[in-house]
Amino acid sequence: DTAVSQTPKYLVTQMGNDKSIKCEQNLGHDTMYWYKQDSKKFLKIMFSYNNKELIINETVPNRFSPKSPDKAHLNLHINSLELGDSAVYFCASSPPGETYEQYFGPGTRLTVT
Amino acid sequence: LAKTTQPISMDSYEGQEVNITCSHNNIATNDYITWYQQFPSQGPRFIIQGYKTKVTNEVASLFIPADRKSSTLSLPRVSLSDTAVYYCLVVPYGGGSARQLTFGSGTQLTVLP
Repeated sequence: DTAVSQTPKYLVTQMGNDKSIKCEQNLGHDTMYWYKQDSKKFLKIMFSYNNKELIINETVPNRFSPKSPDKAHLNLHINSLELGDSAVYFCASSPPGETYEQYFGPGTRLTVT
Repeated sequence: LAKTTQPISMDSYEGQEVNITCSHNNIATNDYITWYQQFPSQGPRFIIQGYKTKVTNEVASLFIPADRKSSTLSLPRVSLSDTAVYYCLVVPYGGGSARQLTFGSGTQLTVLP
């Protein structure tokens, strides 16, 4: 009965490849997010999405794109992977109107070689 | 954006009270202050949030002075299992720019036996 789940937990791939990370939440939340955590532990938001609006952090390269097949899922697609994309990616969700209380998934460690 | 500043690291001993202070000098009127805890290889976990004065829950207390330019997370009688990274985050109520959800590098708390 995991609240926010991500797959895979680990992803190792080569530069130039395209990959996806899946996220699912069973909390009934309206808003989902993707974060990137680098080696210095900075946790930076990439996207915020609900069924009405996609909010993009403008610093995120357009090689990254979120895809939401339904309210409970927000997948992250990454095209033409680069070495600098290596990081831990976290999915999160929050109840309506309460963006200060987010529920995070366990993370996906992406390594680009 | 209400940028936050926290100490990089802190050490404490079991059974002591730990106070972690966060500075947010340009906090806006509708901003809330939130704190998250992150263990290694896990996603952040919401601890507490507040707007002003003092908030207490079963895990921690949050002290916010009248000018709201700083806040202090207080952990009573810490144990070894409280060793984690603690993030201070200032978020506009109801959302706001996606960039405002960037957590920063946090404070590494190490509890010693």
